[in-house]
Amino acid sequence: DIQMTQSPSSLSASVGDRVTITCRASQGIRNDLGWYQQKPGKAPKRLIYAASSLQSGVPSRFSGSGSGTEFTLTISSLQPEDFATYYCLQHNTYPFTFGPGTKVDIK
Amino acid sequence: EVQLVESGGGLVQPGRSLRLSCAASGFTFDDYAMHWVRQAPGKGLEWVSGINWNSGYIGYADSVKGRFTISRDNAKNSLYLQMNSLRTDDTALYYCVKATGYGSGSDLDYWGQGTLVTVFS
Repeated sequence: DIQMTQSPSSLSASVGDRVTITCRASQGIRNDLGWYQQKPGKAPKRLIYAASSLQSGVPSRFSGSGSGTEFTLTISSLQPEDFATYYCLQHNTYPFTFGPGTKVDIK
Repeated sequence: EVQLVESGGGLVQPGRSLRLSCAASGFTFDDYAMHWVRQAPGKGLEWVSGINWNSGYIGYADSVKGRFTISRDNAKNSLYLQMNSLRTDDTALYYCVKATGYGSGSDLDYWGQGTLVTVFS
């Protein structure tokens, strides 16, 4: 099975900060990776698909990059509504696997 | 508008069974693979199972393999998860999730609001 790791597991940041979250796969997954945002009590929301494509309706301050085994989600200027938990998901091979999540909270 | 409405969750004792259902609307159901994802209280997301458009390709997480069975009825626009031999660590909110394509390698876009399964002894 493909294992996904994420770093950091949590971070504290201020409004306006640039935030970077990294996701690593235990083997190559091409660009079969998505990023999801989840707020407390809500279902996850897709932000990025195919590693670097922005979901329609998602603000352009979110961006994704990477291919193979290393991927990055960047928030260029953190906004109050961005405080949430972020997960990566590999959908290259069954079983699909999520990263353990990165909680972004207010500094 | 895509809508996914889960049902069938509840309280159950270890070793018992439960069947979850997901009613889909707002898209052509048999054009898309579908998945179940769960989230234990206070924990992260765990992919549980996926099924392609015609039920020809199915996958399971190791944690549920041999106990859970995913199925779909395209005529009824419905997805199911038969859960047998339930354990306390199966306690979670179970989400029905639509894929972006018909095949097994498509990623996940629309999520339901979830149905809660609690396994207690």
